Amino acid sequence: RKEVEQDPGPFNVPEGATVAFNCTYSNSASQSFFWYRQDCRKEPKLLMSVYSSGNEDGRFTAQLNRASQYISLLIRDSKLSDSATYLCVVNGISNFGNEKLTFGTGTRLTIIP
Amino acid sequence: DGGITQSPKYLFRKEGQNVTLSCEQNLNHDAMYWYRQDPGQGLRLIYYSQIVNDFQKGDIAEGYSVSREKKESFPLTVTSAQKNPTAFYLCASTRNRINMNTEAFFGQGTRLTVV
Repeated sequence: RKEVEQDPGPFNVPEGATVAFNCTYSNSASQSFFWYRQDCRKEPKLLMSVYSSGNEDGRFTAQLNRASQYISLLIRDSKLSDSATYLCVVNGISNFGNEKLTFGTGTRLTIIP
Repeated sequence: DGGITQSPKYLFRKEGQNVTLSCEQNLNHDAMYWYRQDPGQGLRLIYYSQIVNDFQKGDIAEGYSVSREKKESFPLTVTSAQKNPTAFYLCASTRNRINMNTEAFFGQGTRLTVV
């Protein structure tokens, strides 16, 4: 089983719609969770951290479910500019007992006019 | 301004040659990472380092080597043993505080092409 798994998509969604992504992780000791956005041929950039209580930033809402070991990202009222690849990131403990950052393969989102 | 810098942005290599990609950060981050990304694919971990003079293999370390002689620098060497090195290489760093939300900062990446 992969350490971090995402549905690769692509998700093709009409402008104004709501879209949700899920990401599962295998290491129950994982501590920190993030969603990153990556535009074509660019480096990933932090979209938002994911807190245990869930958090919202404008049209974006992130949730963490530790019992089921998944995190989610909800985008409301989607804009054309939301078209990108969304990467789930988990920060946990490696087999060597130190910190390790693991990325999902990303979910590609295209917003259709 | 603090940040993480990768160089060069584009790199062409002949088959059979070793090549070294530079990654420097002035964020005073402890941890540094190298990832590889192929077209339409996610990031795969090559090597990572939590402290100076220590590093661990990631998921696809074969054909690569790294060093961490200074906190600020984590160069990646792509050796001739790497069978398919053409890819987008990304370097990242974090503060290495596992109990806090440790955001990763990325360099702009190096596109390596074997010719």
